[in-house]
Amino acid sequence: GENVEQHPSTLSVQEGDSAVIKCTYSDSASNYFPWYKQELGKGPQLIIDIRSNVGEKKDQRIAVTLNKTAKHFSLHITETQPEDSAVYFCAADGSSNTGKLIFGQGTTLQVKP
Amino acid sequence: DAGITQSPRHKVTETGTPVTLRCHQTENHRYMYWYRQDPGHGLRLIHYSYGVKDTDKGEVSDGYSVSRSKTEDFLLTLESATSSQTSVYFCAISEFSSYNEQFFGPGTRLTVL
Repeated sequence: GENVEQHPSTLSVQEGDSAVIKCTYSDSASNYFPWYKQELGKGPQLIIDIRSNVGEKKDQRIAVTLNKTAKHFSLHITETQPEDSAVYFCAADGSSNTGKLIFGQGTTLQVKP
Repeated sequence: DAGITQSPRHKVTETGTPVTLRCHQTENHRYMYWYRQDPGHGLRLIHYSYGVKDTDKGEVSDGYSVSRSKTEDFLLTLESATSSQTSVYFCAISEFSSYNEQFFGPGTRLTVL
């Protein structure tokens, strides 16, 4: 089955710097790669997603890149702000068509003011 | 915020007792999911439902059962709770199966002593 590895597990940056989180997946049939942000005490919330027919997608300060050949995708946050501090999860849908997602282990991002 | 509630929000129970967690949605979404979140493991799918009375197993389904008798309610039951089931449990919903955002509930923290 699908396996998703996420790195790093923790990331600390200064406010204004960029942050990059990387994920690799194992199932070449995966077609959908969402990123979720989880604030303390809350459920995860989708921040951006990308489909396999697109190499890059951007939404304001957040961008995701996908390399299907290498089976990895990355989240890029520019001009980080303290409110970006949270746990971020990547996920992949595997080869099923059921909406099931396989999540990475999570990255705790700390943005220091 | 999507209309998802989970009950109870916190529960402490003893090994061997049955436990039922409830997820209730007001969005009329077809797909519902139960995840558990543990440090170092991210979110792992326990069971999911693709319609009333239609359910299937996820990656960590042993020791758990589910039921969905109405569109709005998805119940997760631990028949005989064990300490390894101490976790934070999240319910999620989505309107479609593929390429679709999952909306997460606020979570239930379960402690099995």
